Amino acid sequence: DAKTTQPPSMDCAEGRAANLPCNHSTISGNEYVYWYRQIHSQGPQYIIHGLKNNETNEMASLIITEDRKSSTLILPHATLRDTAVYYCIVRNTDKLIFGTGTRLQVFP
Amino acid sequence: EAGVAQSPRYKIIEKRQSVAFWCNPISGHATLYWYQQILGQGPKLLIQFQNNGVVDDSQLPKDRFSAERLKGVDSTLKIQPAKLEDSAVYLCASSLGAGGGQPQHFGDGTRLSIL
Repeated sequence: DAKTTQPPSMDCAEGRAANLPCNHSTISGNEYVYWYRQIHSQGPQYIIHGLKNNETNEMASLIITEDRKSSTLILPHATLRDTAVYYCIVRNTDKLIFGTGTRLQVFP
Repeated sequence: EAGVAQSPRYKIIEKRQSVAFWCNPISGHATLYWYQQILGQGPKLLIQFQNNGVVDDSQLPKDRFSAERLKGVDSTLKIQPAKLEDSAVYLCASSLGAGGGQPQHFGDGTRLSIL
């Protein structure tokens, strides 16, 4: 079973920051937090991952709380192309266990 | 860098027929995965290869599904015979190596419809 809890859906205005929350209260010390997204008819796209520290790349920022029980994915300037299902995954082995994710709708 | 390539993109067959999917991972990626994604659900791991050896096939229905990665590069997934419940998207992913810190990169999958 997935070890994360995400809201089923969120809306965001184009150009604004999208902040997607994820709860993972049972995370272990050696487990990573991964974020993927899936646009309709495409495979999941890797966005970012982290262990303890906050991470940033060209796509997004990942903020992990100090107790590591929750995290937030931040898309700084959402565009219509960011409309997708976003999956937060806690991973300590090779296996990715996907939940149902958050459906993000970016509107003009 | 070329991504994970999969073919065909779509396949329609009748139940009890056979079907095969092909995957070419990102160059240099030692670990290869096959996932099944049923409509409305997240992907579920079927099998994992490390080079040409099977690491995890615990979720693979071995009575009808088989997979191989003979030379440690390309892989094929076969279903024989297909059932209606096998209608899904079959995704291939690859990573540089095993372990929690290595991201998996996915292809766009093969959408299988069973009539």
